[in-house]
Amino acid sequence: QTVVTQEPSFSVSPGGTVTLTCGLTSASVSIYNYPTWYQQTPGQAPRTLIYSTDTRSSGVPDRFSGSIVGDKAALTITGAQADDECDYYCLLYMGRGISVFGGGTKLTVL
Amino acid sequence: QVHLQESGPGLVEPSETLSLTCSVSGFSISSAFFWGWVRQPPGKGLQWIGSVSHSGGSYFSPSLKSRVTISLDTPYDQVSLELTSVTAADTALYFCVRQRGGNHLFDYWGQGTLVTVSS
Repeated sequence: QTVVTQEPSFSVSPGGTVTLTCGLTSASVSIYNYPTWYQQTPGQAPRTLIYSTDTRSSGVPDRFSGSIVGDKAALTITGAQADDECDYYCLLYMGRGISVFGGGTKLTVL
Repeated sequence: QVHLQESGPGLVEPSETLSLTCSVSGFSISSAFFWGWVRQPPGKGLQWIGSVSHSGGSYFSPSLKSRVTISLDTPYDQVSLELTSVTAADTALYFCVRQRGGNHLFDYWGQGTLVTVSS
């Protein structure tokens, strides 16, 4: 069974840059996995940041960017702000209609 | 503006069937896209449950497929979820979602409804 992997936690200084990654246990992530990144604060519905690898969702600041780095999808946040402190989830399409979320990364800004 | 609103019992007994309804406004579910459910156990990550389309396509998480039914009530623009033989592990915040077919993006979400499985 393929598992989508994310760093459980990450820390970044205010104003700093951080790259979160999203991988697969048994394959490389490609554009055909249509990597999507969601941002979630506790108790709220997730908000789409990036879809189809690198397309920014409407209203999302350009501090957020998506890419493929090596064999993983990546979400880069530049100029980190205090309200970026929340949970980030990636979603990968595995084919045959199946979508799988990663376990999520809890980002701390301090 | 597309709006999704979940409703249903907040408490279900073990071994029973969990039933939820999602009312969609601002868009006709028979027009396009997939409609489905995502859940999140307390303090844990997101899990896709399944998605169905008005044209008959249906896809489910392999780990839940044997217990899940998702159906569309197109005249009323409602999406329903049934999950059978529930256990405490099914306790979660359940979100109704709209999913695009091309890029598989969940672009609209309901606010979520908490379902607790307990006797």
